[in-house]
Amino acid sequence: AQSVAQPEDQVNVAEGNPLTVKCTYSVSGNPYLFWYVQYPNRGLQFLLKYITGDNLVKGSYGFEAEFNKSQTSFHLKKPSALVSDSALYFCAVRDLDSSASKIIFGSGTRLSIRP
Amino acid sequence: SAVISQKPSRDICQRGTSLTIQCQVDSQVTMMFWYRQQPGQSLTLIATANQGSEATYESGFVIDKFPISRPNLTFSTLTVSNMSPEDSSIYLCSVETGTVLTNEQFFGPGTRLTVL
Repeated sequence: AQSVAQPEDQVNVAEGNPLTVKCTYSVSGNPYLFWYVQYPNRGLQFLLKYITGDNLVKGSYGFEAEFNKSQTSFHLKKPSALVSDSALYFCAVRDLDSSASKIIFGSGTRLSIRP
Repeated sequence: SAVISQKPSRDICQRGTSLTIQCQVDSQVTMMFWYRQQPGQSLTLIATANQGSEATYESGFVIDKFPISRPNLTFSTLTVSNMSPEDSSIYLCSVETGTVLTNEQFFGPGTRLTVL
């Protein structure tokens, strides 16, 4: 079985400061990891993904995520937060080794950037 | 990539009625998914809809309550039947593109449903 956990319901950061949104996962096989963002009254937008290769993945809007196999984590990061980054962020995982595997979403973390 | 549109974008419905949500994709896709996002919660997969076959429902979701049509490779509908206030949610259509190693999942803007 696969699962993904986002331990923080809300993260508050001052504009210009670095931000981290945490995600840990559990899969039987190799993980296929994603981050999505949901702005108010809009659908989910793809931010970035990790399948293999460099553990640091760069995505849209200046976000990046670091895959850590030993800690089974895939934390989302940005060096300098913007007020416009305020949104709901979802981590998701899929088991690459299972053809029947579906994408499982975390519970979401609301990111609030104060001016 | 894939561009997905949904109709209606929102609706307010009376208890006991049904609503059909349409999902249109700008390219042919094999797999389409319907998700529910209840207020303040994450996404829950309702069913997977493949063209030419019956939809596959996840645990807790049944065809009588959420009938799905998939008449072609660019279109699907989800009906929320005999609605109750507990059905108030955002319903999202999603498609998968690419190969097993490169696939990505794209989402429509969602349909915000309020049941009174």
